[in-house]
Amino acid sequence: GAGVSQSPSNKVTEKGKDVELRCDPISGHTALYWYRQSLGQGLEFLIYFQGNSAPDKSGLPSDRFSAERTGGSVSTLTIQRTQQEDSAVYLCASSIGGGYGYTFGSGTRLTVV
Amino acid sequence: AQKITQTQPGMFVQEKEAVTLDCTYDTSDPSYGLFWYKQPSSGEMIFLIYQGSYDQQNATEGRYSLNFQKARKSANLVISASQLGDSAMYFCAMREPRRGGSNYKLTFGKGTLLTVNP
Repeated sequence: GAGVSQSPSNKVTEKGKDVELRCDPISGHTALYWYRQSLGQGLEFLIYFQGNSAPDKSGLPSDRFSAERTGGSVSTLTIQRTQQEDSAVYLCASSIGGGYGYTFGSGTRLTVV
Repeated sequence: AQKITQTQPGMFVQEKEAVTLDCTYDTSDPSYGLFWYKQPSSGEMIFLIYQGSYDQQNATEGRYSLNFQKARKSANLVISASQLGDSAMYFCAMREPRRGGSNYKLTFGKGTLLTVNP
């Protein structure tokens, strides 16, 4: 596609439920990143995928968070047993290779009630 | 220790004037990249300008320029002739070299909220 597509754009969920957030990167971009932006804060790195290499999961805040990338393209970020502190905007970005020309999606605004 | 520091939570500027947004960074690697992004209220992250650590000249893109002072580890963004549409959150970010062949993530500062007054 022309840009990085994220869905849903907004998600309201009840505490304790699981949620899945989807990212469709720009075609041909081998690197994919997930970031979290809490209200009024900067972007917090969560996870990085590069081609077929093992993902860098060093930013995942707890074992309730996981992500996968199927076929080197679409990625899904899963949050299990959501908590109120998980409320944030989750941003996905992709780039050709790693390190240049990052393009961000519009984000998913997650609200846990 | 913070890798990227933006000391100005908020800035105000009059339309048509220039404004400088501060950014300092911390790294021991000689090879790195510095980025500025704009985030309007709509939430999208818009790439503005990039400076590589080995670039001899300061980067410029239209009304945006990056005042790169390597010895001071600062990479301030200068916006000339401010426009009302420049009102947004501005983030400085750094890309560090790959570690173990797998990591090119960006580390972001906390941002500066710029308000342009008519």
